[in-house]
Amino acid sequence: GAVVSQHPSWVICKSGTSVKIECRSLDFQATTMFWYRQFPKQSLMLMATSNEGSKATYEQGVEKDKFLINHASLTLSTLTVTSAHPEDSSFYICSAPATFGETQYFGPGTRLLVL
Amino acid sequence: KQEVTQIPAALSVPEGENLVLNCSFTDSAIYNLQWFRQDPGKGLTSLLLIQSSQREQTSGRLNASLDKSSGRSTLYIAASQPGDSATYLCAVPPWNQGGKLIFGQGTELSVKP
Repeated sequence: GAVVSQHPSWVICKSGTSVKIECRSLDFQATTMFWYRQFPKQSLMLMATSNEGSKATYEQGVEKDKFLINHASLTLSTLTVTSAHPEDSSFYICSAPATFGETQYFGPGTRLLVL
Repeated sequence: KQEVTQIPAALSVPEGENLVLNCSFTDSAIYNLQWFRQDPGKGLTSLLLIQSSQREQTSGRLNASLDKSSGRSTLYIAASQPGDSATYLCAVPPWNQGGKLIFGQGTELSVKP
């Protein structure tokens, strides 16, 4: 079946540094990918829609200059958390829609801890 | 604005029990509704997808129902097992915004041996 991978699976960084998270569709192409954030004991909240070859679309309240998204190819989207702060510590999950049908494939998630 | 709510937030049952998880949504104009499973610290696994024209979907011990008019869906798990312990999330796509999903808060299920 279709698989979406994320790298890294977890990262610890100092406050003020930037962190890049990769999301890859391994055996299918995805012109669109979605980035979600999940705080402990809370549900997934959509942050942005990543579009191959064009700018990402951000949800209300999400700072586009802080969360940079690049969809460089049909199989890769990256989310860069710039100047990360402790409040950015969260679980970041990406998803990609199936080529046919309405199924979404989710990555395993990246846990970010900012000290 | 679509809102999705899940009740209860947590549920603990002994092994072998049948159980029902509830999901409600405020806007009945949905394309479909999906149920996902999330293990601690992991991503999501799709369990069932019900189209707006369907009333229910079944997969093994899982049965999901959909009542659009009342804005409700239920996930029925038969003969629960410890391996079913996880957080169960329901989600709907916003109208005319394909691909995005609005999630409920989830129900954390614990099945005791």
